[in-house]
Amino acid sequence: DIVMTQSPDSLAVSLGERATINCKSSQSVLSSSNNKNYLAWYQQKPGQPPKLLIYWTSIRESGVPDRFSGSGSGTDFTLTISSLQAEDVAVYYCQQSYSTPYTFGQGTKLEIK
Amino acid sequence: QITLKESGPTLVKPTQTLTLTCTFSGFSLSTSGVGVGWIRQPPGKALEWLALIYWNDDKRHSPSLKSRLTITKDTSKKQVVLTMTNMDPVDTATYYCAHSPPPQWLGTFDYWGLGILVTVSS
Repeated sequence: DIVMTQSPDSLAVSLGERATINCKSSQSVLSSSNNKNYLAWYQQKPGQPPKLLIYWTSIRESGVPDRFSGSGSGTDFTLTISSLQAEDVAVYYCQQSYSTPYTFGQGTKLEIK
Repeated sequence: QITLKESGPTLVKPTQTLTLTCTFSGFSLSTSGVGVGWIRQPPGKALEWLALIYWNDDKRHSPSLKSRLTITKDTSKKQVVLTMTNMDPVDTATYYCAHSPPPQWLGTFDYWGLGILVTVSS
């Protein structure tokens, strides 16, 4: 199985400031057939199911604000929230879909400082 | 509008078999590339990918649980069923079903059910 490790486990950021969450995979999730990294990001608020934010490393899902962006390649990836809003308080998960089982990271809890 | 809803028992005894049904609307499981998956989340813990079934009946399972899991679909009823045998208290979790959009092997989940909390206890 590909192990996904996120850092930090928790993060406190002031409103309007940048938040950065990292995700590292135990092996590359870059497909040689289409040059795409099979890495997605989800947001989960308390009592709710996860919400897909980004797939293929950097493609925002429809309706996701452009303050959310993703980057990276191979084994190292980043989710950036450019200007933190109160509604962004949540747990964020990365997921690889390069090979089954499509494993998730352990989650990063984002709070307001 | 795509919706999914999980149903089944909320309490099972150790060693029993759990059967969960995902009933969906707004899409067809006969559409090329579409899949429905199951993901679970123990209380206060991370998401765990369990299984995924595609439109062409291709099935993928978590290797660590493969011997205990069965995933099937009924396209006409718009349902996907997950069966997990030999339940244990560590299997206590919220179980989610979710829609996996094409292309096949994208592997992400863009619509989720609200989840069903299954407690394993005698």
